[in-house]
Amino acid sequence: QLVESGGGLVKPGGSLRLSCAASGFMFSDFYMSWIRQAPGRELECLSYISFRGDAKYYGDSVRGRFTISRDNAKNSLFLQMNALRADDTAVYYCARGGSHSAFDFWGQGTLVTVSS
Amino acid sequence: DIQLTQSPSTLSASVGDRVTITCRASQNINSWLAWYQQKPGKAPKLLIYKSFGLQSGVPSRFSGSGSGTEFTLTISSLQPDDFATYYCQQYDSFSSFGQGTKLEIK
Repeated sequence: QLVESGGGLVKPGGSLRLSCAASGFMFSDFYMSWIRQAPGRELECLSYISFRGDAKYYGDSVRGRFTISRDNAKNSLFLQMNALRADDTAVYYCARGGSHSAFDFWGQGTLVTVSS
Repeated sequence: DIQLTQSPSTLSASVGDRVTITCRASQNINSWLAWYQQKPGKAPKLLIYKSFGLQSGVPSRFSGSGSGTEFTLTISSLQPDDFATYYCQQYDSFSSFGQGTKLEIK
């Protein structure tokens, strides 16, 4: 199971940290990812992180603003989001998978709204 | 960046129909393609991985094929639960998704 938290309303230029709590599988054995979906839009992969967190990959739209991290001891995945913009408004999902692994388990999503 | 183009964008069909959705990649992605089903307000569900691998628990009426730049998802006999939006995803170079195909009841 994957459960996201930390979403909410934030002003443009603000920051937010999302968390994803994992259970029911060996968290440290899997790449993990963040994916978002703006209202009425397609899915967008934002970032993924390797098993031990030593390799991180980002999409162009968030590189330099967002940072992915993980704590394997706490079975948790994080996304630090800085310099938020209105077009970052979306439902943010964490998912198991990344690199050459499809996303086979997803959280329920957490809504981030960027608005003044 | 690798672009994925799905066709059609909308598909109207009836229960029992055989339907096919196409996904074209802007460059060779070998077989690193997955298909997902998404219903309103829900997270996507993995159906097919690596072009034709059927995810555990997914009904066998779903099948995938293709390699290189052209891929298809086929539903052999539509069931009422299948009306949803379908996305392809490449994971050869980072990751990207198609724009989606909405499967509607005719």
